[in-house]
Amino acid sequence: DGGITQSPKYLFRKEGQNVTLSCEQNLNHDAMYWYRQDPGQGLRLIYYSQIVNDFQKGDIAEGYSVSREKKESFPLTVTSAQKNPTAFYLCASSGSQGRTEAFFGQGTRLTVV
Amino acid sequence: AQSVTQLGSHVSVSEGALVLLRCNYSSSVPPYLFWYVQYPNQGLQLLLKYTTGATLVKGINGFEAEFKKSETSFHLTKPSAHMSDAAEYFCAVSPTDKLIFGTGTRLQVFP
Repeated sequence: DGGITQSPKYLFRKEGQNVTLSCEQNLNHDAMYWYRQDPGQGLRLIYYSQIVNDFQKGDIAEGYSVSREKKESFPLTVTSAQKNPTAFYLCASSGSQGRTEAFFGQGTRLTVV
Repeated sequence: AQSVTQLGSHVSVSEGALVLLRCNYSSSVPPYLFWYVQYPNQGLQLLLKYTTGATLVKGINGFEAEFKKSETSFHLTKPSAHMSDAAEYFCAVSPTDKLIFGTGTRLQVFP
């Protein structure tokens, strides 16, 4: 089945450690996105990529990094520089630079202790 | 700048009552508009979308929305609420190369 897969679903890390969240899609989509979701704040865009080996910062990129070495994969690293990393992270993909609907993964809930 | 405003962070209705979730947008170019639904601890699922053409858009689960350019609105409605409609709903606009989301509306349905 075609879709977008995020792993793991739950992730616990100690403060000061970097952590990488996985996002893989087999929809042959060009565009991929990372959003952060906090209660009452909706979805805020962290990074997005419209093509392999290229990506742009979203509204809250500080403390995060991404790579896009393959069309299917768009991993997100939450670095120790991110001041408040505990959140629900959603990955999405779309066929044509955002002008079509985005398909979402099931999310990764990151808890930093 | 493009933005989306969802009026009311929480909406409560009785089962069988009309559902109305409000969304207003700001866009400097003709917008593409979307409504998504999110169940607890899950990703977002597309309910419906407006791109061009007919301004009344029908989606899944009996939901529909009407694009009103003069009011810059894209309100979501359902004639009769069901318990399974309880979820969080997000309106989104896509002016160019990314989706911009509202802050969401949590819908509660009481028996």
